[in-house]
Amino acid sequence: NAGVMQNPRHLVRRRGQEARLRCSPMKGHSHVYWYRQLPEEGLKFMVYLQKENIIDESGMPKERFSAEFPKEGPSILRIQQVVRGDSAAYFCASSPGTSDEQYFGPGTRLTVT
Amino acid sequence: ELKVEQNPLFLSMQEGKNYTIYCNYSTTSDRLYWYRQDPGKSLESLFVLLSNGAVKQEGRLMASLDTKARLSTLHITAAVHDLSATYFCAVDMLAGGGADGLTFGKGTHLIIQP
Repeated sequence: NAGVMQNPRHLVRRRGQEARLRCSPMKGHSHVYWYRQLPEEGLKFMVYLQKENIIDESGMPKERFSAEFPKEGPSILRIQQVVRGDSAAYFCASSPGTSDEQYFGPGTRLTVT
Repeated sequence: ELKVEQNPLFLSMQEGKNYTIYCNYSTTSDRLYWYRQDPGKSLESLFVLLSNGAVKQEGRLMASLDTKARLSTLHITAAVHDLSATYFCAVDMLAGGGADGLTFGKGTHLIIQP
């Protein structure tokens, strides 16, 4: 049973480009969460999605960031017009249901040059 | 807003010693998690604490939860070098009346020296 998968593992973008981060939840999990970890910090919640629905995006920056979890395929976190401050590790987690334990993926480390 | 505070944030200790990491949180919640993170790696789940008075042990690590005091502890017994890592506690916001994401503490960077 494969765990949560994220790709790419490392992503380098120049300022102004777009970054797309993908997350495939564990088999049987329909709940996906995205978190951001800045250097030497804890993880910050960004968004919680179920299939085709955004349940809570209270942690998402108001501009340039969006997330989706389509009926088919992985969840995608999209960052438009990246800036240096977006450099961080982005972790995806999945769970089988609301308030069940979340299982974390390996993360995508985004570097903006 | 739910706040989670860990202390200490940095801890250097010798092998064989005992120590405790503390995690305080600001609103009612009955779900608390402890994770381990090695440099450049993802989070490894250590303990899930679901009720007041819960105590769980795995090897040299033991975690407990006091929901009335809004406090969890992670106790390390006879530390060994392999336990060097960053340890995070996290609280389930839904259980605290909020959203369903986890709120993390800033982490405790633990270095165990021979």
